[in-house]
Amino acid sequence: DVKVTQSSRYLVKRTGEKVFLECVQDMDHENMFWYRQDPGLGLRLIYFSYDVKMKEKGDIPEGYSVSREKKERFSLILESASTNQTSMYLCASSQTRGNSPLHFGNGTRLTVT
Amino acid sequence: SQQGEEDPQALSIQEGENATMNCSYKTSINNLQWYRQNSGRGLVHLILIRSNEREKHSGRLRVTLDTSKKSSSLLITASRAADTASYFCAKNSGGSNYKLTFGKGTLLTVNP
Repeated sequence: DVKVTQSSRYLVKRTGEKVFLECVQDMDHENMFWYRQDPGLGLRLIYFSYDVKMKEKGDIPEGYSVSREKKERFSLILESASTNQTSMYLCASSQTRGNSPLHFGNGTRLTVT
Repeated sequence: SQQGEEDPQALSIQEGENATMNCSYKTSINNLQWYRQNSGRGLVHLILIRSNEREKHSGRLRVTLDTSKKSSSLLITASRAADTASYFCAKNSGGSNYKLTFGKGTLLTVNP
């Protein structure tokens, strides 16, 4: 089975801190994604990557950046955390071939105070 | 903008009953996927239906797709308490094969 591991389940950070959320997948998937999930808004795509060092903006990239130096690892970076970035963050991976489902990690619940 | 809007937002049924959730979308699709999310966990893929398919089955799950109405439905038959979860549909956007756009989900509660 595909395993997508997010480094932290819960994280509490202060406003202005630089925050790193890490995600690792073990199935050699080409594509990796970061979503945030908020009540009433569903899942929204922040960034995705289709290859090492390649990235594309999703629907809500403002305030975030990403890094993919190795195929198995995809990091989400909050350069200067703000309270409106308090959310559940979900990482996912998939193969490139068409009609491939996403495999999700268990999420990181980030609270910015 | 959000694609893949689920209806209803919440559904409460008794064990043994069937549960039907609907999903509408606005533009053409390559495929539409359904996911389940247990409380506080990540999403789990349930079933994928391609744009040229009309119906798919997987165990107690049945998914239909009507491209003329831009809608899909997920039917869970003989529901169990363990089916309690949020269910999301996700549309494969036309631009990139691997980009999915999710709706807001239906919260299903199955009462024992």
